[in-house]
Formats: sequence, structure tokens, C-alpha cells
Amino acid sequence: EIVMTQSPDTLSAPPGERATLSCRASQSVSSNLAWYQQKPGQAPRLLIYGASTRATGIPARFSGSGSGTEFTLTINTLQSEDFAVYYCQQYNNWPLTFGGGTKVEIK
Amino acid sequence: EVQLVESGGNLVQPGGFLTLSCAASGFGVSRNFMGWVRQAPGKGLEWVSTMSTGGVTYYADSMQGRFFISRDNSKNTLSLLMKNLRLEDTAIYYCAKFGSASFMDFFDAWGQGSLVIVSS
Repeated sequence: EIVMTQSPDTLSAPPGERATLSCRASQSVSSNLAWYQQKPGQAPRLLIYGASTRATGIPARFSGSGSGTEFTLTINTLQSEDFAVYYCQQYNNWPLTFGGGTKVEIK
Repeated sequence: EVQLVESGGNLVQPGGFLTLSCAASGFGVSRNFMGWVRQAPGKGLEWVSTMSTGGVTYYADSMQGRFFISRDNSKNTLSLLMKNLRLEDTAIYYCAKFGSASFMDFFDAWGQGSLVIVSS
């Protein structure tokens, strides 16, 4: 099973700042990596797939990069609605696995 | 508009069973790979099960033999029968649609979740 490790556990930043979230895979997952956003009491929402392709309706301030074992989600100019928990998921190997999440909170 | 609505979550005793249902609209469950993902209280996401368009099923190791995924094409619903429930099965269970016709894929639509509590 591929282990996905996200860092940091919590990221504190003020609105308007840039946030950079990391996701590391225990072995290569090529570009088969997705990012999700989850707000309290809500279901996850797909942000990025294929490591860098934004899902339908996702604002351009969200961008993904990386391949192999190292991936980054960047949120440019944090908005109030962006404070949430973010998860990465690999879909290169069975079983599908998720990272433990990074909480982005208001500083 | 794609929509998924789960139901059936409840409090159940250890060793008991429960069936979750997921009503889909805006697309056909038989034409898409579908799955269940769960989230224990305050924890991260865990893939549970997948059903392919051809009806092939897949399960996480800890659910194999206890959980059973199925669908009703006429009602456009997905179900998850959970048997021999354990305390550690306590979680919100999400129904989710895969982004493509592959069991190795991301989830592009999620339901709001159904809470299952296993407790004596």
C-alpha cells in the first residue's frame, strides 16, 4: 500500500497570503494524484486531478504541481472560503489511499 | 446536475449489520464507476469499496468479506451492506462517483455522507 504523507499538519496564514501544501508518496504515483478540499460538516470537493489539472469550477488561485513522489498544492491569495482541510489521494496503485490532511487556518 | 444523497446511517451494536443507500441523479450509476469512502470522527479519508460499470466489486482488506457493494439500476441507487460491524467501523460513509471508467481514479462527486455509529 502506498502511504501518502502530508505536511504541515496545520498551516496558519492570513487572508491574502499564499499557502503551500505538500504531499509525499512512499513510492512513485506518476501524475495520478488528486487534491480535495473539505470544510467542516461537508463532503470533500475535488480541486485538482492529474497532479495539476483543476476540476470544473475551481478558481485559478488553486494550482497543483509535482510528479513521482513529491506534490504541491498552492493557494494564491487566500480567501476566507479557502480555510479548510485539504487531502491528497493517489490513484496509481491499488488500494486508493489518501493523505492525513493539512488544515489551513486563519492566522 | 450530478447529485448523490446517502441514507441509512444509524447506531448499531457490534456484530450487527446495516445497509447504506445512495440515490444518484444527473447521471446513471450503471454507467460510472462508483464507490464508498469513509471518515472516522476527526480523522482522514479511507477508501472502502468500488463497483465497476461491469459490476466487478473491490474492497479494502479490512472490509473484505464483511461489506458488500451493490446497485439497483432501475432505481439508480448504490448500496453498501455492512455485516459484523466493529467499533472501528464508526464513521461517516460517503458515496462517491469516479471521474472515469477506471477503478484507479479520483472522485469527482461526493454525497453529503451518512453517519454510522457502532456502539454497545
